[in-house]
Amino acid sequence: NAGVTQTPKFRVLKTGQSMTLLCAQDMNHEYMYWYRQDPGMGLRLIHYSVGEGTTAKGEVPDGYNVSRLKKQNFLLGLESAAPSQTSVYFCASSYGGVSGNTIYFGEGSWLTVV
Amino acid sequence: AQSVTQPDIHITVSEGASLELRCNYSYGATPYLFWYVQSPGQGLQLLLKYFSGDTLVQGIKGFEAEFKRSQSSFNLRKPSVHWSDAAEYFCAVGGGYQKVTFGTGTKLQVIP
Repeated sequence: NAGVTQTPKFRVLKTGQSMTLLCAQDMNHEYMYWYRQDPGMGLRLIHYSVGEGTTAKGEVPDGYNVSRLKKQNFLLGLESAAPSQTSVYFCASSYGGVSGNTIYFGEGSWLTVV
Repeated sequence: AQSVTQPDIHITVSEGASLELRCNYSYGATPYLFWYVQSPGQGLQLLLKYFSGDTLVQGIKGFEAEFKRSQSSFNLRKPSVHWSDAAEYFCAVGGGYQKVTFGTGTKLQVIP
């Protein structure tokens, strides 16, 4: 039972480069999310999706784009990486809306922008 | 706006001792409350959640939490801590549509 799978797990980027983080879930969840985790700041929502073909902005969307072409996949793109985007990124999913449902997290992707 | 406060950034307990991690929330109505645990290098895993009903909630790994509306608190407890409990613990509150707010976390260190 894979749950939520993220790739890559580690990546180093140079400032200005672009990249895509891939997320896949095998639980048939409608809702998917991308969070970033920074020391002392907890988890902050970047973007989310309430179903295939939909995306919406979270708390900290600037500098990121997302796509949900298939129900099981949610991609996070960095268009032009900046050192401020050095962080740990978590993909997550839930059966229903987050306010009352359990969120299932991937293991994280460590991104360093130099 | 909803918010969560975890006042303790770091806690150290001896193995076998009891544990209480504090969580205070702010939300206008009855909230959904969660505790998640994050082991080093891993994602977050749900320990327990409260929606309504009995204010003492049992979770996995021997953890429990008590919802106290009068104190706006949802503290996590464990009677006897094991070395494998060393991790970071996050309290979270859900209420508005698509809105769950996480606290900044409490790191638990367990010493022999």
